[in-house]
Amino acid sequence: EAGVTQSPTHLIKTRGQQATLRCSPISGHTSVYWYQQALGLGLQFLLWYDEGEERNRGNFPPRFSGRQFPNYSSELNVNALELEDSALYLCASSRDLNTEAFFGQGTRLTVV
Amino acid sequence: DAKTTQPTSMDCAEGRAANLPCNHSTISGNEYVYWYRQIHSQGPQYIIHGLKNNETNEMASLIITEDRKSSTLILPHATLRDTAVYYCIVRGDYGGSQGNLIFGKGTKLSVKP
Repeated sequence: EAGVTQSPTHLIKTRGQQATLRCSPISGHTSVYWYQQALGLGLQFLLWYDEGEERNRGNFPPRFSGRQFPNYSSELNVNALELEDSALYLCASSRDLNTEAFFGQGTRLTVV
Repeated sequence: DAKTTQPTSMDCAEGRAANLPCNHSTISGNEYVYWYRQIHSQGPQYIIHGLKNNETNEMASLIITEDRKSSTLILPHATLRDTAVYYCIVRGDYGGSQGNLIFGKGTKLSVKP
């Protein structure tokens, strides 16, 4: 069974541009979670989607947004990129709201 | 904010049991204790979770105190590949608190030969 897959693996953008990160959950999983991990720091919760709806949001500005598609895959969009947005962005999925979540290997976003 | 307290770092000899403590004194009745680990900027790996009974799987054992205010993750025979940051997380069910996982700073476990 395939795990959580994220694309692209690496992404380099210029300050002010927009970045789009994608996540495919494990088959049968309906919940998707997004996290940001800046270099040397902990995982910061960004967004949680379930059944196509945003369930919860972390303490991030509105230029961080996302959506979940009918097939439960998800997209994270970061607008007006800033240098401090450079980080590893991790996606996780779970079968439902109360079962364990499994993580992908992340997208390394570098803003120059 | 994370609802758990863990030591910043621990060492363990290879082949010995690694016992990682976690305090979660404000845990409520419907909140689970989850453990994950992260090896050098890879995606976190799920280890185990429990509500109030002790749990065991192929990776580890989870011992939760009767009052549920603390727990211990046990890696029975630590290997060098178990060197990682271990996160203890309290997660509520959807009907109660947030269902998402809030990570703290974790414990850096170093397994030494």
